[in-house]
Amino acid sequence: EAQVTQNPRYLITVTGKKLTVTCSQNMNHEYMSWYRQDPGLGLRQIYYSMNVEVTDKGDVPEGYKVSRKEKRNFPLILESPSPNQTSLYFCASTTKGAYEQYFGPGTRLTVT
Amino acid sequence: DQQVKQNSPSLSVQEGRISILNCDYTNSMFDYFLWYKKYPAEGPTFLISISSIKDKNEDGRFTVFLNKSAKHLSLHIVPSQPGDSAVYFCAASLTGANSKLTFGKGITLSVRP
Repeated sequence: EAQVTQNPRYLITVTGKKLTVTCSQNMNHEYMSWYRQDPGLGLRQIYYSMNVEVTDKGDVPEGYKVSRKEKRNFPLILESPSPNQTSLYFCASTTKGAYEQYFGPGTRLTVT
Repeated sequence: DQQVKQNSPSLSVQEGRISILNCDYTNSMFDYFLWYKKYPAEGPTFLISISSIKDKNEDGRFTVFLNKSAKHLSLHIVPSQPGDSAVYFCAASLTGANSKLTFGKGITLSVRP
């Protein structure tokens, strides 16, 4: 089954404790992206990657890091999480040049 | 500055009636528009799209209309069903924007049985 998977689905952590949210897709997509969804703000792009070893900032990259060492994986790293990063995070992927993106099920992160 | 605007946060309609969800945009360079549907505890799923060279695209009960001069698009659902109750996001993209999508805030549709 073609899909985008994210882990963990739910995470509660404390300020400053480094964490990684994994994202993997099995569709051989070149393009992958991370979004966060906040009430009243919709979906905002954090980082995206056009292909292996090619990443770039989205609209709200502060406090996040990403890497793309393999085509199928695109982890989101929070080196020192803060409460304002409490949010619902989505990973998405698509074929190069396509518009429709396929989203993962989401990771709900709470930083206390 | 929000480039894609969904000004109504919610909409409630009776089952069987038409649902009309509106979306406005400010960037005249956007040339492709999409609607996504999101249920609780799930990721958004693609619903329907339209290119700027068209003014209408239809897929079953779902039709998207684009008015470029007004920078406005709308999603019509006819007839509405209780299973359509979800959050709907409007999104837009630029040619050559490397698949980047700009999303609106979303609108919560409730279809009453």
